[in-house]
Amino acid sequence: GAGVSQSPRYKVAKRGQDVALRCDPISGHVSLFWYQQALGQGPEFLTYFQNEAQLDKSGLPSDRFFAERPEGSVSTLKIQRTQQEDSAVYLCASSLTERVNVYQPQHFGDGTRLSIL
Amino acid sequence: QKEVEQNSGPLSVPEGAIASLNCTYSDRGSQSFFWYRQYSGKSPELIMFIYSNGDKEDGRFTAQLNKASQYVSLLIRDSQPSDSATYLCAVNARGSTLGRLYFGRGTQLTVWP
Repeated sequence: GAGVSQSPRYKVAKRGQDVALRCDPISGHVSLFWYQQALGQGPEFLTYFQNEAQLDKSGLPSDRFFAERPEGSVSTLKIQRTQQEDSAVYLCASSLTERVNVYQPQHFGDGTRLSIL
Repeated sequence: QKEVEQNSGPLSVPEGAIASLNCTYSDRGSQSFFWYRQYSGKSPELIMFIYSNGDKEDGRFTAQLNKASQYVSLLIRDSQPSDSATYLCAVNARGSTLGRLYFGRGTQLTVWP
């Protein structure tokens, strides 16, 4: 049963290093979302793709954050010059929408726990 | 003001009791409302969604929506220790990216035997 798959599950990096987080959505899911979840908080929206098009990146906290989905399937979230405040769980979600539809639920992966030392 | 507010926890109920979780939202144009359950270290798992005023029941879970009051709730009947988790309320956003969700910070529920 293929759910949303994220890798790595855990990532430790030194401040200033670049990191790349991968998301494999559920097969056939058109929409893909990235969220950031700090400890004790709910997920916060980062960015959204419909197929390969990045339709909304308004939640990205700075220009150090970059996301792509070049073939409309796998997505990568890249963080450059990491800082301690980037430490969080990064969640990927996908949903089965061919066009924007508010009723389609999002299915989440287990996330990548990023720790910046 | 945050988009989505949840009643502060933690909430602790005995096994077999009804657990009541509440959520309010600020955007009157919101159309879809979701409850996710999140076990520690795990991903959020969708348990209920609702988009019409009134009640929606699924097994031991009932979601209630009152758009006039901008209020959503989740009732868990016959609570079990396995229901112990954080419950996240999520609301869709209006605008160009309707699929984007706003989450509350979650309510931690503990069901004790």
